[in-house]
Amino acid sequence: RKEVEQDPGPFNVPEGATVAFNCTYSNSASQSFFWYRQDCRKEPKLLMSVYSSGNEDGRFTAQLNRASQYISLLIRDSKLSDSATYLCVVSPVNNNNDMRFGAGTRLTVKP
Amino acid sequence: DAGVIQSPRHEVTEMGQEVTLRCKPISGHDYLFWYRQTMMRGLELLIYFNNNVPIDDSGMPEDRFSAKMPNASFSTLKIQPSEPRDSAVYFCASSHRGLTEAFFGQGTRLTVV
Repeated sequence: RKEVEQDPGPFNVPEGATVAFNCTYSNSASQSFFWYRQDCRKEPKLLMSVYSSGNEDGRFTAQLNRASQYISLLIRDSKLSDSATYLCVVSPVNNNNDMRFGAGTRLTVKP
Repeated sequence: DAGVIQSPRHEVTEMGQEVTLRCKPISGHDYLFWYRQTMMRGLELLIYFNNNVPIDDSGMPEDRFSAKMPNASFSTLKIQPSEPRDSAVYFCASSHRGLTEAFFGQGTRLTVV
Protein backbone atom coordinates (compact mmCIF):
# COMPACT_ATOMS: atom_id res chain seq x y z
CA ARG A 1 0.00 0.00 0.00
CA LYS A 2 1.32 3.45 -0.88
CA GLU A 3 2.06 5.79 2.00
CA VAL A 4 -0.12 8.52 0.53
CA GLU A 5 -2.93 7.80 -1.89
CA GLN A 6 -4.99 10.15 -4.01
CA ASP A 7 -7.56 9.78 -6.73
CA PRO A 8 -5.60 10.84 -9.83
CA GLY A 9 -8.70 12.26 -11.51
CA PRO A 10 -8.93 14.09 -13.79
CA PHE A 11 -11.66 16.22 -12.30
CA ASN A 12 -13.27 18.39 -14.97
CA VAL A 13 -15.56 21.04 -13.51
CA PRO A 14 -17.20 24.24 -14.78
CA GLU A 15 -16.21 27.63 -13.45
CA GLY A 16 -17.94 28.41 -10.21
CA ALA A 17 -18.31 24.79 -9.18
CA THR A 18 -17.29 23.39 -5.82
CA VAL A 19 -14.88 20.47 -5.95
CA ALA A 20 -13.36 18.30 -3.24
CA PHE A 21 -10.35 16.02 -3.17
CA ASN A 22 -9.53 13.37 -0.61
CA CYS A 23 -6.23 11.84 0.32
CA THR A 24 -5.53 8.87 2.59
CA TYR A 25 -2.29 8.09 4.40
CA SER A 26 -1.05 4.84 5.89
CA ASN A 27 1.25 5.99 8.71
CA SER A 28 -0.89 6.65 11.77
CA ALA A 29 2.03 8.45 13.41
CA SER A 30 1.97 11.19 10.77
CA GLN A 31 2.02 14.64 12.27
CA SER A 32 2.16 17.23 9.53
CA PHE A 33 -0.08 17.56 6.51
CA PHE A 34 -0.03 19.86 3.52
CA TRP A 35 -1.54 20.51 0.13
CA TYR A 36 0.81 21.53 -2.66
CA ARG A 37 -0.17 22.75 -6.09
CA GLN A 38 1.74 21.90 -9.25
CA ASP A 39 1.07 23.59 -12.57
CA CYS A 40 1.86 21.80 -15.80
CA ARG A 41 5.62 21.42 -16.28
CA LYS A 42 6.34 23.49 -13.17
CA GLU A 43 7.58 22.75 -9.69
CA PRO A 44 5.26 22.04 -6.74
CA LYS A 45 4.43 24.98 -4.51
CA LEU A 46 2.82 25.04 -1.08
CA LEU A 47 -0.90 25.78 -1.22
CA MET A 48 -1.73 25.40 2.45
CA SER A 49 -0.95 23.50 5.58
CA VAL A 50 -3.65 21.33 7.13
CA TYR A 51 -4.35 21.79 10.83
CA SER A 52 -6.14 19.41 13.16
CA SER A 53 -9.09 21.74 13.57
CA GLY A 54 -9.39 22.37 9.86
CA ASN A 55 -8.49 25.62 8.21
CA GLU A 56 -9.65 27.94 5.50
CA ASP A 57 -7.81 30.25 3.14
CA GLY A 58 -10.19 32.18 0.95
CA ARG A 59 -11.96 29.73 -1.34
CA PHE A 60 -9.88 26.81 -0.07
CA THR A 61 -10.74 24.68 2.96
CA ALA A 62 -8.60 21.86 4.30
CA GLN A 63 -9.77 19.21 6.74
CA LEU A 64 -7.98 16.47 8.66
CA ASN A 65 -9.56 13.27 9.96
CA ARG A 66 -6.97 11.44 12.06
CA ALA A 67 -9.29 8.58 12.98
CA SER A 68 -9.84 7.68 9.35
CA GLN A 69 -6.41 8.87 8.25
CA TYR A 70 -7.48 11.16 5.49
CA ILE A 71 -7.25 14.79 4.59
CA SER A 72 -9.40 16.74 2.21
CA LEU A 73 -9.27 19.91 0.15
CA LEU A 74 -12.40 21.80 -0.84
CA ILE A 75 -12.32 24.49 -3.50
CA ARG A 76 -15.37 26.76 -3.74
CA ASP A 77 -16.29 28.98 -6.66
CA SER A 78 -13.57 27.42 -8.79
CA LYS A 79 -11.68 29.62 -11.25
CA LEU A 80 -9.98 28.78 -14.52
CA SER A 81 -6.69 29.54 -12.76
CA ASP A 82 -7.33 26.73 -10.27
CA SER A 83 -6.56 24.22 -13.02
CA ALA A 84 -3.52 22.31 -11.77
CA THR A 85 -2.49 19.12 -10.05
CA TYR A 86 -3.03 19.09 -6.29
CA LEU A 87 -0.56 17.05 -4.26
CA CYS A 88 -1.30 15.72 -0.82
CA VAL A 89 1.75 15.72 1.45
CA VAL A 90 2.26 13.90 4.73
CA SER A 91 5.18 14.06 7.12
CA PRO A 92 5.74 11.50 9.85
CA VAL A 93 7.21 13.97 12.28
CA ASN A 94 6.22 17.39 13.43
CA ASN A 95 8.05 19.23 10.71
CA ASN A 96 8.53 18.85 7.02
CA ASN A 97 11.84 17.07 6.99
CA ASP A 98 10.56 13.82 5.55
CA MET A 99 7.65 14.73 3.34
CA ARG A 100 5.84 12.04 1.38
CA PHE A 101 3.85 13.14 -1.62
CA GLY A 102 0.76 11.64 -3.12
CA ALA A 103 0.70 11.18 -6.88
CA GLY A 104 -1.62 14.15 -7.23
CA THR A 105 -5.14 14.87 -8.40
CA ARG A 106 -5.52 16.72 -11.66
CA LEU A 107 -8.16 19.44 -11.81
CA THR A 108 -9.34 21.19 -14.95
CA VAL A 109 -11.77 24.08 -14.59
CA LYS A 110 -13.59 24.87 -17.81
CA PRO A 111 -15.40 28.04 -18.90
CA ASP B 1 16.95 35.33 -2.97
CA ALA B 2 16.81 33.57 -6.34
CA GLY B 3 15.23 30.46 -4.90
CA VAL B 4 16.46 26.92 -5.38
CA ILE B 5 18.54 26.71 -8.52
CA GLN B 6 18.93 23.51 -10.50
CA SER B 7 21.04 22.78 -13.53
CA PRO B 8 20.76 21.75 -16.21
CA ARG B 9 17.08 22.34 -16.95
CA HIS B 10 17.08 19.66 -19.61
CA GLU B 11 19.45 16.76 -20.20
CA VAL B 12 19.38 14.22 -22.98
CA THR B 13 21.93 11.47 -22.77
CA GLU B 14 22.61 8.04 -24.12
CA MET B 15 22.18 4.89 -22.11
CA GLY B 16 25.32 4.04 -20.18
CA GLN B 17 26.52 7.61 -19.82
CA GLU B 18 27.10 9.33 -16.51
CA VAL B 19 24.67 12.10 -15.61
CA THR B 20 25.22 14.74 -12.93
CA LEU B 21 22.43 16.97 -11.72
CA ARG B 22 23.19 20.04 -9.64
CA CYS B 23 21.36 22.00 -7.02
CA LYS B 24 21.94 25.21 -5.10
CA PRO B 25 19.55 25.50 -2.14
CA ILE B 26 18.22 28.72 -0.70
CA SER B 27 20.83 30.36 1.50
CA GLY B 28 20.27 29.57 5.17
CA HIS B 29 18.20 26.45 4.55
CA ASP B 30 19.58 23.44 6.39
CA TYR B 31 17.53 20.71 4.71
CA LEU B 32 17.92 19.62 1.11
CA PHE B 33 15.79 17.04 -0.69
CA TRP B 34 16.08 15.24 -4.01
CA TYR B 35 12.84 14.02 -5.61
CA ARG B 36 12.06 12.20 -8.84
CA GLN B 37 8.74 12.61 -10.64
CA THR B 38 7.27 10.33 -13.30
CA MET B 39 3.76 9.85 -14.59
CA MET B 40 3.69 6.30 -13.30
CA ARG B 41 5.12 6.80 -9.80
CA GLY B 42 4.43 10.44 -9.03
CA LEU B 43 6.85 12.39 -6.83
CA GLU B 44 9.27 10.13 -4.97
CA LEU B 45 11.70 11.20 -2.28
CA LEU B 46 15.15 9.87 -3.17
CA ILE B 47 17.33 11.27 -0.40
CA TYR B 48 17.52 14.19 1.99
CA PHE B 49 20.31 15.98 3.82
CA ASN B 50 20.43 17.93 7.05
CA ASN B 51 23.38 20.26 7.51
CA ASN B 52 25.09 18.56 4.56
CA VAL B 53 24.76 15.08 6.10
CA PRO B 54 22.63 12.44 4.34
CA ILE B 55 19.83 11.46 6.71
CA ASP B 56 17.68 9.08 4.69
CA ASP B 57 18.68 7.57 1.36
CA SER B 58 16.18 4.72 1.42
CA GLY B 59 14.49 6.14 -1.64
CA MET B 60 17.56 5.90 -3.84
CA PRO B 61 16.56 3.24 -6.38
CA GLU B 62 19.87 1.43 -6.68
CA ASP B 63 23.62 1.73 -6.53
CA ARG B 64 23.74 3.54 -9.82
CA PHE B 65 22.42 6.59 -7.97
CA SER B 66 24.55 8.64 -5.60
CA ALA B 67 24.15 12.06 -4.01
CA LYS B 68 26.57 14.36 -2.29
CA MET B 69 26.42 17.65 -0.48
CA PRO B 70 29.98 18.92 -0.03
CA ASN B 71 28.86 22.22 1.45
CA ALA B 72 25.74 24.11 2.47
CA SER B 73 25.28 25.72 -0.92
CA PHE B 74 25.70 22.82 -3.34
CA SER B 75 24.49 19.30 -3.92
CA THR B 76 24.77 16.80 -6.76
CA LEU B 77 22.79 13.75 -7.81
CA LYS B 78 24.74 11.39 -10.03
CA ILE B 79 23.52 8.47 -12.11
CA GLN B 80 26.15 6.12 -13.44
CA PRO B 81 25.47 4.34 -15.72
CA SER B 82 22.20 5.87 -16.82
CA GLU B 83 19.32 3.78 -18.18
CA PRO B 84 16.18 4.70 -20.15
CA ARG B 85 14.00 3.98 -17.08
CA ASP B 86 15.80 6.81 -15.28
CA SER B 87 14.03 9.29 -17.55
CA ALA B 88 12.06 11.62 -15.29
CA VAL B 89 11.96 15.11 -13.85
CA TYR B 90 14.34 15.44 -10.92
CA PHE B 91 13.52 18.11 -8.36
CA CYS B 92 15.67 19.54 -5.65
CA ALA B 93 14.01 21.28 -2.69
CA SER B 94 15.23 23.01 0.43
CA SER B 95 13.71 24.06 3.71
CA HIS B 96 14.61 25.52 7.05
CA ARG B 97 13.89 23.57 10.19
CA GLY B 98 10.87 24.97 11.91
CA LEU B 99 9.24 26.23 8.73
CA THR B 100 6.41 24.37 7.09
CA GLU B 101 7.28 25.03 3.47
CA ALA B 102 9.74 23.26 1.22
CA PHE B 103 10.83 25.31 -1.77
CA PHE B 104 11.40 23.48 -5.01
CA GLY B 105 13.72 24.23 -7.88
CA GLN B 106 12.38 24.22 -11.40
CA GLY B 107 13.58 20.67 -11.95
CA THR B 108 15.83 18.89 -14.41
CA ARG B 109 14.05 16.98 -17.15
CA LEU B 110 16.24 13.96 -17.89
CA THR B 111 15.80 11.83 -20.98
CA VAL B 112 17.96 8.75 -21.40
CA VAL B 113 17.81 7.28 -24.90
